[in-house]
Order: sequence, then C-alpha cells, then structure tokens
Amino acid sequence: DVKVTQSSRYLVKRTGEKVFLECVQDMDHENMFWYRQDPGLGLRLIYFSYDVKMKEKGDIPEGYSVSREKKERFSLILESASTNQTSMYLCASSQNRNPFEAFFGQGTRLTVV
Amino acid sequence: LAKTTQPISMDSYEGQEVNITCSHNNIATNDYITWYQQFPSQGPRFIIQGYKTKVTNEVASLFIPADRKSSTLSLPRVSLSDTAVYYCLVDGTGANNLFFGTGTRLTVIP
Repeated sequence: DVKVTQSSRYLVKRTGEKVFLECVQDMDHENMFWYRQDPGLGLRLIYFSYDVKMKEKGDIPEGYSVSREKKERFSLILESASTNQTSMYLCASSQNRNPFEAFFGQGTRLTVV
Repeated sequence: LAKTTQPISMDSYEGQEVNITCSHNNIATNDYITWYQQFPSQGPRFIIQGYKTKVTNEVASLFIPADRKSSTLSLPRVSLSDTAVYYCLVDGTGANNLFFGTGTRLTVIP
C-alpha cells in the first residue's frame, strides 16, 4: 500500500520559531510537493521538487524554504513562523511519468500563536 | 500551465447522477486531465484521468469532447459519502507543478 507520511497531524508553535514539517514517501517517486490549504482558497502550491537537491518555487513560496537531501524525504521549513502561516499543510508525491497521479499525506494542521 | 475553471459548489440528492464540468480553454497538446476528490481532514485522492473521449472506472466517468477545452466528471447515483471537494487539473509537463485551485464542493442531500 502506497504511503506518504507527514510527521505530525497537529502542531502549535510560537511566533518567530523555526518550524520543520517532514514528509516521507515509500514509493520511490521523483516528484514531491508541499501545499497549504485555507478555507475558500483551495490548495496552493508552496514548493515542489523533481529530484534530490532540486527545488522549484510554487505559487506562494514567501516565508518558506524546503530541503530534499534524500529521494524519499521532503522537508518544509518556516524560518520564522508568523500567525498568517497558520494553515493545513499537505505533502504529496508523484512519479515523473504518466499517469501523473499524486499521493497525499494526511496533512499537518499548524497553528502559530 | 493550463488553468481550470469549475463551479464553486453543487448540491445533489442521493441516488442522482452528478456531472461536474471543468473548463480548460488553454489546454496544451500533451496535457492530460485529472480529477481528484478530497474529504474533510484528508488529503486529495486521485479519481480518474483521461486524454480524450471517455474514460470509465469503478468510481466515475470522464467525458472529454474533441476540442478538449472542457471535461465533465460524472458520478453515477451519488450517496452521502460522495460529499467532498472535487478538483480538476490539467498537466502534461511531468506533473512538476500540480495546480489544484479551489475545486467544486459537492454536497449530497438525503
């Protein structure tokens, strides 16, 4: 059974903290993605990676960075958390050939206080 | 990357067939059309994908006209458990940038 695992379901962090969200996939997929989801705004792409050590900005990269040192792991980093980064964060992975089916993790609900 | 337009919300009674149409006027020759379903507190999951004409699986059917500028997801005889948000995507670039948008919120009424 294919699996994308996010390290936490719920997180509460203080403003200014450095926050790490971890994502691991066991499908040997080339592509990995980080999205945030907010009411009324749908899923918005933050960053994606198509290979180890490669990253591309999505639609809303400001305030975030990512790291992909191993193929199976993709980390999202909030350098200095702010209250407007309170959101649901979703990680996904996909192979780099048709069908381009993305598999999602269960999500991390981050609250910044 | 081709963007999509779909209705924000739809309501349907149990047992009815539901058709959700997605507009993608700028679809490119190598783009595929993919639909995802998302339940509350879960990540989206793949439902169906097609390139042209009709595709059917155990969950849904996907109808794509010859010009491919739109597509219709058809859910036969919906039940309450089909209440979810449905996203239409088009992408042919190796899925390096999956754009989901806001989707269509389907509410199935008893």
